[in-house]
Amino acid sequence: DIVMTQSPDSLAVSLGERATINCKSSQSVLYSSNNKNYLAWYLQKPGQPPKLLIYWASSRESGVPDRFSGSGSGTDFTLTISSLQAEDVAVYYCQQYYSTPLTFGGGTKVEIK
Amino acid sequence: QVQLVQSGAEVKKPGASVKVSCKASGYTFTSYGISWVRQAPGQGLEWMGWISAYNGNTNYAQKLRGRVTMTTDTSTSTAYMELRSLRSDDTAVYYCARPNSGQQLAAVDYWGQGTLVTVSS
Repeated sequence: DIVMTQSPDSLAVSLGERATINCKSSQSVLYSSNNKNYLAWYLQKPGQPPKLLIYWASSRESGVPDRFSGSGSGTDFTLTISSLQAEDVAVYYCQQYYSTPLTFGGGTKVEIK
Repeated sequence: QVQLVQSGAEVKKPGASVKVSCKASGYTFTSYGISWVRQAPGQGLEWMGWISAYNGNTNYAQKLRGRVTMTTDTSTSTAYMELRSLRSDDTAVYYCARPNSGQQLAAVDYWGQGTLVTVSS
């Protein structure tokens, strides 16, 4: 199984400041035949299902604000929130869909400082 | 608009079975599969498996094989997940989820609202 490790576990950022979350996979999730990274990012608010933010490591889902961006390749990935808003308080998860079982990181809780 | 509506909360005793339904609407059901993901209280997300709504092919997480069965009813655009021999550590919110392509190796763009299954004596 591919193990996904997120850091930090939690993060407190002032409104309007940048938040950065890291995700590392135990093996590459870059599929050489199509040069795509099989990596997604989700946010989850209490009592709600996860919401897709980013897929293919850097493609923003329709309707997701452009303050959210994803980067990285191979085994190391980053989700950046360029200017934190109050509504961004949530737990963020990375997920690999390169191989089954699909696996998620442990989550990063983002709060307002 | 795409919607996945799940059945209501369940309370079961250890050793019992539970069957959760997920009714899809707003898209061609047989063009996509359905994944099932669970989340224990205060914990992270765990992929349970996937079923193709096109041909019924399944792929289950190794740790659940033998206890889980996923099925679909294309006449009602409904997916089902049955988990048997329930244990206390099966207590979780169970989500159905639609991958954003017809394949299981895809990100999930739509989720059901979740079904809380509580296993307690």
